[in-house]
Amino acid sequence: QQPVQSPQAVILREGEDAVINCSSSKALYSVHWYRQKHGEAPVFLMILLKGGEQKGHEKISASFNEKKQQSSLYLTASQLSYSGTYFCGTESQGAQKLVFGQGTRLTINP
Amino acid sequence: ETGVTQTPRHLVMGMTNKKSLKCEQHLGHNAMYWYKQSAKKPLELMFVYNFKEQTENNSVPSRFSPECPNSSHLFLHLHTLQPEDSALYLCASSQDPANIQYFGAGTRLSVL
Repeated sequence: QQPVQSPQAVILREGEDAVINCSSSKALYSVHWYRQKHGEAPVFLMILLKGGEQKGHEKISASFNEKKQQSSLYLTASQLSYSGTYFCGTESQGAQKLVFGQGTRLTINP
Repeated sequence: ETGVTQTPRHLVMGMTNKKSLKCEQHLGHNAMYWYKQSAKKPLELMFVYNFKEQTENNSVPSRFSPECPNSSHLFLHLHTLQPEDSALYLCASSQDPANIQYFGAGTRLSVL
């Protein structure tokens, strides 16, 4: 079952914050986040393995709410280099495979 | 450089041609994947191989034929494709099917 990401697209000015959500209808074991810049391959950002876990990477962080079966990616004080499409990938408990969401296109303007 | 190399980077073919896409990974991973990515569409999983065995075929038309001779190499053989098959084809690998995936740069395919 493909996770659902929201919003589908976001346009920000440099320095603004953004939140991207990823929801699943199934209980999750892990959530992965990837970013794909225009014309490039998706690149791994972070993985969250435990319910309630939060991880950070520069000004990009994420949380994983196991009970709500969702994860959120937080981008603070966005930079031009953050532009791209963000994908979450979820592993349902017992599934042993990753399923990607439809992606959220993030555009950062000067 | 992600350790996953795809060739060719660009390919233009007619509907009657036969061509192959190649993917090679130097990461010692056991699982390899083919994805299709069309304009404004999500990553569509096509095939999964784990220890050279196909573990998933996501209802892909038979005009796409994968081959995995060993854990480091993955091919996608193409024949009698349709214009709607034009897309970016991405290869990825991971230690196992639930682990972090490393993507190649992709092959941009145009079917005329």
